[in-house]
Amino acid sequence: AQSVTQLGSHVSVSEGALVLLRCNYSSSVPPYLFWYVQYPNQGLQLLLKYTTGATLVKGINGFEAEFKKSETSFHLTKPSAHMSDAAEYFCVLYNFNKFYFGSGTKLNVKP
Amino acid sequence: DSGVTQTPKHLITATGQRVTLRCSPRSGDLSVYWYQQSLDQGLQFLIQYYNGEERAKGNILERFSAQQFPDLHSELNLSSLELGDSALYFCASSVDETGAYNEQFFGPGTRLTVL
Repeated sequence: AQSVTQLGSHVSVSEGALVLLRCNYSSSVPPYLFWYVQYPNQGLQLLLKYTTGATLVKGINGFEAEFKKSETSFHLTKPSAHMSDAAEYFCVLYNFNKFYFGSGTKLNVKP
Repeated sequence: DSGVTQTPKHLITATGQRVTLRCSPRSGDLSVYWYQQSLDQGLQFLIQYYNGEERAKGNILERFSAQQFPDLHSELNLSSLELGDSALYFCASSVDETGAYNEQFFGPGTRLTVL
């Protein structure tokens, strides 16, 4: 079965601190993985994606994620949080022509 | 602005009714995807159309149906509505057939409230 688990529905960090949002997946075939961000009252926007090749993927706004097959993980990181990063983040798995979403992690950035 | 438009923005209706949600993809995009976002179920992929043909089906109920027209706009029809159908319905579009190689661009959503 295909599934995505995001650990922590709410994460709070101070401005300038490291952001780490966790995502683990279950997939019967090599997965395609994505991170999307959703700002309040808006649609989703792609941050980054892993399809094949390099396991460290860089995205927009300074975010990056590392695909670790042995750990079935695709955690999202950013070295220094900014107030504008406050949003909800979704880890997404794609295979067999379907998209599977994690439950989302709301990131709060404290001044 | 993603270039994807959805109408209406808000929709309030009663149980048992039928509604139609409309989506216009970005210019040049051939794929349209529909998603449902609710407090209970989170974000779910419903269905995808590519160039007028159904390409992939997710957790779409039998009471729901969709189609993509020759001008590439798409409609999602929801019938025999139940309270649990209240949700935000997103449409997205992409240029490719899978949505995995090229970015999906999301519309602002239609918020459906069933009373």
